[in-house]
Order: sequence, then C-alpha cells, then structure tokens
Amino acid sequence: DTEVTQTPKHLVMGMTNKKSLKCEQHMGHRAMYWYKQKAKKPPELMFVYSYEKLSINESVPSRFSPECPNSSLLNLHLHALQPEDSALYLCASSHMSGNTEAFFGQGTRLTVV
Amino acid sequence: GQQLNQSPQSMFIQEGEDVSMNCTSSSIFNTWLWYKQEPGEGPVLLIALYKAGELTSNGRLTAQFGITRKDSFLNISASIPSDVGIYFCAGPYDAGGTSYGKLTFGQGTILTVHP
Repeated sequence: DTEVTQTPKHLVMGMTNKKSLKCEQHMGHRAMYWYKQKAKKPPELMFVYSYEKLSINESVPSRFSPECPNSSLLNLHLHALQPEDSALYLCASSHMSGNTEAFFGQGTRLTVV
Repeated sequence: GQQLNQSPQSMFIQEGEDVSMNCTSSSIFNTWLWYKQEPGEGPVLLIALYKAGELTSNGRLTAQFGITRKDSFLNISASIPSDVGIYFCAGPYDAGGTSYGKLTFGQGTILTVHP
C-alpha cells in the first residue's frame, strides 16, 4: 500500500474562517511533508516533520499551522488566509532511510474567497 | 539553492510517437526521481534512479541517470492519450545529503497527446 490520503479533496473558505486539512498514511513512513502547488508550477515545500517533530519550516506565514498528532497523521490548520493562498495543497511521506522517494496524496484544492 | 532545468516546457505530439524530456543541474545529485501529475491529482512517482549511469524501465517509460550526476532523461515510447499530464523531475534538496524526501523539482514538461 503506497497510499497517502488527503481530505477534503476540495475546500472553499472565507478569509475569516478557520479550517483544517488532513493527511493520513499507513506505510510506516516517519517523514511527512506539506507542499503548496500553483497551477502548472512545481510543488513548493512548506513543512517537514521527522518522527512527529517539525524539522523544517520554509518561512511559511503563521496563518498556516501544521500539526502531527502521531506517526500516521498530519494536519494543516488554516486561519485568516488570503485569496493568494488559493492553491493545491499536497501532503507527502517518505522513509527515513536515506531513500528520498516521496509519495504524494491527491491534494486538497483550496479556494479562499 | 539548487535548480533543476527541465526541458522542453511543453510538447504536443501524435498518439504513437516517442517522447523525450530531460533535466539538468549545475549541482551533482545522488538521486533522480520522475513524477507524473494528472489534472486535479497529486504527483505519482514513475521511476527512481540512484546510481550514475543507471538505466531503468517501467513499461513504456525509460529513464537514465547521467554519468556526470548532473542530468537525467525520461523517454516514453509509443505514446497513448492517457500519457497526458505534467512530468516533473526531482532530486533531493540537499544534493549530497539524505534529505528524506525534501525535494527540488524541475519546472515540469506539459505533455499533450493527440489521438
């Protein structure tokens, strides 16, 4: 099973709303990631979790707040977003073995209105 | 930081034609990955390359890890309509280290296949 599951698939939110994106994997991967992707552009790394601890924050604004409740779950809490934050948000996971293959979820298409 | 230069940016081909795309970098990479992304979906890993000179196939797809470690190519033979999508090359963000999936991506090649 090489599946990373993200929910919801689509989300529309107002600029004053609070919402959360969820990601789950059962591959035993101990590294999990959030990427942001604009249309026809490559994914851009936002956060990296290693063994449930935040190891990398790529200077992401504080209106994005990641959380890793356990080794299988990764959340991204959203608050006071701007229309320019509209994008496809991708979760990914990988082994911590030096093998750099990352497996991606299908993404959450976020629209901020 | 490291950059991956991917070309061509887009390709419009007829069904049955072969396709070739490549990725180059000014830095050495220890791993090259090729992903395909279809509209509305996340990237799917097609091929992973770990050794300089390595040639790996996955069905109609063939990818090679360049001898200099600074380039890789992906070929698709006898293209079919379901090959449409964006193809990305990727490598570890820290070219020499074990970045555990923190990836640098090329800009992507948009492939359109006409029946």
